[in-house]
Amino acid sequence: NAGVTQTPKFRVLKTGQSMTLLCAQDMNHEYMYWYRQDPGMGLRLIHYSVGEGTTAKGEVPDGYNVSRLKKQNFLLGLESAAPSQTSVYFCASSPYGSGANVLTFGAGSRLTVL
Amino acid sequence: AQSVSQHNHHVILSEAASLELGCNYSYGGTVNLFWYVQYPGQHLQLLLKYFSGDPLVKGIKGFEAEFIKSKFSFNLRKPSVQWSDTAEYFCAVSKPNTGNQFYFGTGTSLTVIP
Repeated sequence: NAGVTQTPKFRVLKTGQSMTLLCAQDMNHEYMYWYRQDPGMGLRLIHYSVGEGTTAKGEVPDGYNVSRLKKQNFLLGLESAAPSQTSVYFCASSPYGSGANVLTFGAGSRLTVL
Repeated sequence: AQSVSQHNHHVILSEAASLELGCNYSYGGTVNLFWYVQYPGQHLQLLLKYFSGDPLVKGIKGFEAEFIKSKFSFNLRKPSVQWSDTAEYFCAVSKPNTGNQFYFGTGTSLTVIP
């Protein structure tokens, strides 16, 4: 049982380049999330999804787009990367329903934008 | 603005010392409360959670936390820390029926000296 898998684990981009981070979960979870982690700022929610075909904005959505075409996958896209997007990105998922409301995290993707 | 506050940014303790990390939140109504831990180089893992019932909850590795509703607090405690507890600790709050959004504190870095 792999849980939540993120690819790639590391990436270096130049300003203006685009890229997509892939998150895959094999637990049949309804909810999926993308967070960024920055020193002194903890985790901030970028976008999330409450089910296949749905997406919603979190706290810091600007500069990012997401898609949830398949239930098990949640993609995070950067159309034109900026140095301010240098961060560690974590994907997470949780089951449907407040009674099982626990996040399972991926290992993280470290992105550097030069 | 609604938030999750962790007042201790960096804590340094000697092995066998007692630990208490503060967490306060400002969300009203029903909340679910969590502590997550991130060991060096690893992804976030659930330490313990509170959904309802006994306000004193016990988690893995001897950690416990107490929910005090009147103080909007969910402090993490451990009677005797070990070197292996060196990690970053995040308090988190979720509001049921709001798309399962989770709100994280900025984290507390704990260093345990052997």
